Amino acid sequence: GDSVTQMEGPVTLSEEAFLTINCTYTATGYPSLFWYVQYPGEGLQLLLKATKADDKGSNKGFEATYRKETTSFHLEKGSVQVSDSAVYFCASDAGTASKLTFGTGTRLQVTL
Amino acid sequence: KAGVTQTPRYLIKTRGQQVTLSCSPISGHRSVSWYQQTPGQGLQFLFEYFSETQRNKGNFPGRFSGRQFSNSRSEMNVSTLELGDSALYLCASSLGRFSDTQYFGPGTRLTVL
Repeated sequence: GDSVTQMEGPVTLSEEAFLTINCTYTATGYPSLFWYVQYPGEGLQLLLKATKADDKGSNKGFEATYRKETTSFHLEKGSVQVSDSAVYFCASDAGTASKLTFGTGTRLQVTL
Repeated sequence: KAGVTQTPRYLIKTRGQQVTLSCSPISGHRSVSWYQQTPGQGLQFLFEYFSETQRNKGNFPGRFSGRQFSNSRSEMNVSTLELGDSALYLCASSLGRFSDTQYFGPGTRLTVL
């Protein structure tokens, strides 16, 4: 079946550091890929998405490129802020948008 | 436009009881999906409703059920609660079923004692 694998956390960075959170997927079809963010005590917020190979999703300084050849969708940000501290989830939909498969989540802690 | 709303936000029940959770999707959204989030299992898909019909179901026992009303609002029910049902239950809505982004509500935190 479909699966999503994320790098284990927690990730601890100083403010203004560069962030990469790795995500790889397996899917039988051509999924859309997503990054969601969850702040403490809240639900999931869509951060960015990409629907086909070589698409780049971007939002709030975060970027991720859909790489079909490496089945990856790594999340990057050039300069993190304390307010970016949260749990980040990579997800795929395998062409059925209403059923998402999630990675285990990566907790990011940004310190001053 | 208002986001996905879920009620109640917090719930405490005892083993053996049953519980009903409610979800109101974003206006105009017709698909509603439910997910269970636990520290051990992460985020797992429960089921999806579209046009008042269950279209997809995850790997959960029959104690977990749901329904969708004509206004797209959805409820999920868990009967004979077990300690392991303690979780954050998230509802998500999307316009349609395919290639549409899901938007999540804040969740209902269920604690089973």
